Amino acid sequence: EIVLTQSPATLSLFPGERATLSCRASQSVRSYLAWYQQKPGQAPRLLIYDASNRATGIPARFSGSGSGTDFTLTISSLEPEDFAVYYCLQRANWPPYTFGQGTKLEIK
Amino acid sequence: EVLLLESGGGLVQPGGSLRLSCAASGVIFDTYAMSWVRQAPGRGLEWVSTISRSGDNTYYADSVKGRFTISRDNSRSTLFLQLNSLRVEDTAIYYCAKAGFGGSVGADFDYWGQGTLVTVSS
Repeated sequence: EIVLTQSPATLSLFPGERATLSCRASQSVRSYLAWYQQKPGQAPRLLIYDASNRATGIPARFSGSGSGTDFTLTISSLEPEDFAVYYCLQRANWPPYTFGQGTKLEIK
Repeated sequence: EVLLLESGGGLVQPGGSLRLSCAASGVIFDTYAMSWVRQAPGRGLEWVSTISRSGDNTYYADSVKGRFTISRDNSRSTLFLQLNSLRVEDTAIYYCAKAGFGGSVGADFDYWGQGTLVTVSS
């Protein structure tokens, strides 16, 4: 089973700042990595699929990069609505699909 | 607009059973694999099960294998999850999710329902 490790666990930033979230896989997942955003009381929302492709309706300030074992989600300039928990998901070697443990992005 | 609406959650005693449903609209249901993902209170996301477009192929997490059964009724655009031999650690919000690009098993999950809460407690 592939283990995904996200860092940091919590990221405290001001609106307008740049956010960089990391997801590291225990073995290569090629480019089969997705990013999700989850706000309290809501279902997860797909942001990025296949490492770098924005999902439908996702603002351009969200971007993804990486391949193999190291991936990054970047939010270029934080908006108030971006403060949430972010999860990565791998589908390269399934079953099982595995998620990272999440990064909480909070307002400083 | 794709809508997924789960139902069937509730409070059940350890060892009990529940059947969850997920009604889909705004999508050609039989062209997409479907999955269940759960989230224990205050915890992260855990994949539970996936079913192919036709329903012929099913996949389960080890934690639920032999206890949970995924199925679908394409004529009613509905996904099901039968939960048997429930344990306290099965307590979670259960989300249904639709396969993303390509629509097959192994795809990402692009649309999610709002979830249904299953509480296992005596």
